[in-house]
Amino acid sequence: EPEVTQTPSHQVTQMGQEVILRCVPISNHLYFYWYRQILGQKVEFLVSFYNNEISEKSEIFDDQFSVERPDGSNFTLKIRSTKLEDSAMYFCASSEERADTGELFFGEGSRLTVL
Amino acid sequence: RKEVEQDPGPFNVPEGATVAFNCTYSNSASQSFFWYRQDCRKEPKLLMSVYSSGNEDGRFTAQLNRASQYISLLIRDSKLSDSATYLCVVKRGRRALTFGSGTRLQVQP
Repeated sequence: EPEVTQTPSHQVTQMGQEVILRCVPISNHLYFYWYRQILGQKVEFLVSFYNNEISEKSEIFDDQFSVERPDGSNFTLKIRSTKLEDSAMYFCASSEERADTGELFFGEGSRLTVL
Repeated sequence: RKEVEQDPGPFNVPEGATVAFNCTYSNSASQSFFWYRQDCRKEPKLLMSVYSSGNEDGRFTAQLNRASQYISLLIRDSKLSDSATYLCVVKRGRRALTFGSGTRLQVQP
């Protein structure tokens, strides 16, 4: 069964450092997403990406964040200068073009710990 | 007001019990509704979509009341494997999914 894969599974970094989280969406999917979940809290939308550009972003997704699809398979989330409050599980997700079914396929997540 | 509100629980029920979760949403422009399931420290997975006419998938029944902006999920004959957090999710048009905080279910032997 096709799946979304994310690396690393866990990253520990110092405050102020740059972090890149990587995702390989399902190959025939065209919409890509990043969500985050702070421990014990809800899943929060960060950004969606379609046709090589951001289609929607939340107020969480400020100038410290950026996304990129550098090649035909990877989808990355970069946090330029990490803060303590960026510690969370970051989920990548993808969906087929017609996403009205609401089915997003999530990766297993990348846990980011900022010290 | 939160866009999607759920009772966090936990709901502790014995095996075989019937349990119901409710959810309310604040934006009347929301068009699509879903229940996702999230196991501890795992990714969310779609459980089922929710339609105004109500829909059933095995032991799971979902209902939507647009007038009251209310969504429900009923689980019959609970299994130990049903223990998880159930996330109420809404969608407006092409916008991304908005998740509720989840209701935790613990099914006990």
